[in-house]
Amino acid sequence: AQSVAQPEDQVNVAEGNPLTVKCTYSVSGNPYLFWYVQYPNRGLQFLLKYITGDNLVKGSYGFEAEFNKSQTSFHLKKPSALVSDSALYFCAVINGGATNKLIFGTGTLLAVQP
Amino acid sequence: ETGVTQSPTHLIKTRGQQVTLRCSSQSGHNTVSWYQQALGQGPQFIFQYYREEENGRGNFPPRFSGLQFPNYSSELNVNALELDDSALYLCASSLDRVFYGYTFGSGTRLTVV
Repeated sequence: AQSVAQPEDQVNVAEGNPLTVKCTYSVSGNPYLFWYVQYPNRGLQFLLKYITGDNLVKGSYGFEAEFNKSQTSFHLKKPSALVSDSALYFCAVINGGATNKLIFGTGTLLAVQP
Repeated sequence: ETGVTQSPTHLIKTRGQQVTLRCSSQSGHNTVSWYQQALGQGPQFIFQYYREEENGRGNFPPRFSGLQFPNYSSELNVNALELDDSALYLCASSLDRVFYGYTFGSGTRLTVV
């Protein structure tokens, strides 16, 4: 069965420092991987996705993610964190098949201190 | 181009009642998926509608049902509400069942008391 793991409930980083939010996945076949961000009492905003091609994917708001097939990981990164990046981040994978439903991780709360 | 619109934004219901949540899909999108996000959890897939037909269902009981209309808007109905149904309900629209990009609405916060 397809699954996504986000091993850190919370990541703390100082403003201006680089940030990494970790994600590992388990799928049969080729994975389609996504990152979404959620602000309090809001829906999900799309950040970036990996379908095929370059392992380094660039997305919105300066975020990027690196697909690593051998480690089955898709970590989210940003070179310099902003206080406004503080939010809940979800990694997700498409399960394939006719439905193409998104399977989400449990989320990682990113807290950026000024 | 309009995004995904959900209504109402907040709702309080009593256990045992029935509720209907509504979703207007993004212009040009013909597929709507519904997700339940309990507090502190990731969204869980409820079901998907493609061209007015149910196209996949998650692990939710039959009292969760839905509809998709010819204009591709959708409703989520929940009967016999339980306290555990309290959650943020998210609607996402996309073009066809193949993933080109899901656009999420802001959700409906349902509280069952």
